[in-house]
Amino acid sequence: GDSVTQMEGPVTLSEEAFLTINCTYTATGYPSLFWYVQYPGEGLQLLLKATKADDKGSNKGFEATYRKETTSFHLEKGSVQVSDSAVYFCALSDHSGNTGKLIFGQGTTLQVKP
Amino acid sequence: SQTIHQWPATLVQPVGSPLSLECTVEGTSNPNLYWYRQAAGRGLQLLFYSVGIGQISSEVPQNLSASRPQDRQFILSSKKLLLSDSGFYLCAWSGGVSVTDTQYFGPGTRLTVL
Repeated sequence: GDSVTQMEGPVTLSEEAFLTINCTYTATGYPSLFWYVQYPGEGLQLLLKATKADDKGSNKGFEATYRKETTSFHLEKGSVQVSDSAVYFCALSDHSGNTGKLIFGQGTTLQVKP
Repeated sequence: SQTIHQWPATLVQPVGSPLSLECTVEGTSNPNLYWYRQAAGRGLQLLFYSVGIGQISSEVPQNLSASRPQDRQFILSSKKLLLSDSGFYLCAWSGGVSVTDTQYFGPGTRLTVL
């Protein structure tokens, strides 16, 4: 079945460092891909998404490009801030049955130190 | 604009007691609705989803059940809670028009079973 694999965390960076969180997927067909962010004690918020190959999603300085050839959707940010500390989830849409179900990776915790 | 509400925000219940968590969505019609559980330090597990009133699909056999008595209301229940039911429960909705639709999450309910 479809699946999402994220890099193991936690990831600890200093403020203004470059961030990469790897995400790879396995899917039949052409799923849409998402990054969600969860701040402590809160629900998930959509960070960005891409719906087809070579699309780039971007928001709040974060970017991710849908790479069909490598089945990847890595999250990047050029300069992280302390306020970016959160758990980041990569997800893909399950197109079977037209239910809009999402399949999530296990999440990657990011801690940014001043 | 659309909003999603969950209550209660926090709940502490003894083993063997019943459970009822409620989720309501405002500002949209006929949404797809989802219940997820997030155990401590782990990813999201889809529990139930619904594409319409009275239509419930279960993803994981367990101690829980779900109901959708109204178009924008989704309820998660249990007759007798287990210790393993502890976790962070998240409700989400999507437009349901396309499988590329984004899911939007509520603030969550943190359940502790003692």
